[in-house]
Amino acid sequence: GIQVEQSPPDLILQEGANSTLRCNFSDSVNNLQWFHQNPWGQLINLFYIPSGTKQNGRLSATTVATERYSLLYISSSQTTDSGDYFCAPGRNTGNQFYFGTGTSLTVIP
Amino acid sequence: NAGVTQTPKFQVLKTGQSMTLQCAQDMNHNSMYWYRQDPGMGLRLIYYSASEGTTDKGEVPNGYNVSRLNKREFSLRLESAAPSQTSVYFCASSAGQVNSPLHFGNGTRLTVT
Repeated sequence: GIQVEQSPPDLILQEGANSTLRCNFSDSVNNLQWFHQNPWGQLINLFYIPSGTKQNGRLSATTVATERYSLLYISSSQTTDSGDYFCAPGRNTGNQFYFGTGTSLTVIP
Repeated sequence: NAGVTQTPKFQVLKTGQSMTLQCAQDMNHNSMYWYRQDPGMGLRLIYYSASEGTTDKGEVPNGYNVSRLNKREFSLRLESAAPSQTSVYFCASSAGQVNSPLHFGNGTRLTVT
């Protein structure tokens, strides 16, 4: 399988601050997704981003597949951004996704 | 449009008991997955079904069996539960094509005593 490392493992932010979460992966991939797991345990798909940059409101993501990493940017953080963030790179062959151990984000008012 | 529905939400089993976790999706997706989530370990793939009629092992298949009953439903069975199977189980689905995001159910919290 693909080894996935996420950093930092834990992050505490003041509301309104910006942050960058990183995902490194060990092998070439065809696709990559970012997920937010809220405090109630629900997993929400944030981005499907095998390469390039996408933006959705205050969140954006960049994947550089040739260098085997992806970044998730959170700007003007809000308390509702709290939770765990997971990246999941994968290959189309077999359609499997491999999850990192996540970044736990706490945004304090 | 409910998305991915898992039942039950919570379950407590004694060691050696068996049970089946149910999952259904209403998005006409081809691929379905079962993951388990343990503290500090992210999500690990147990089994997946790339399309109706096929199933394949993931990273941690031991102690589990699956059935792709039809295109909508994908069940996970624990034949003889062990305390090491205490976890939160997530079902997911995707269209199965290139550029297909995963959609998750809300999870089943299983405790084996």
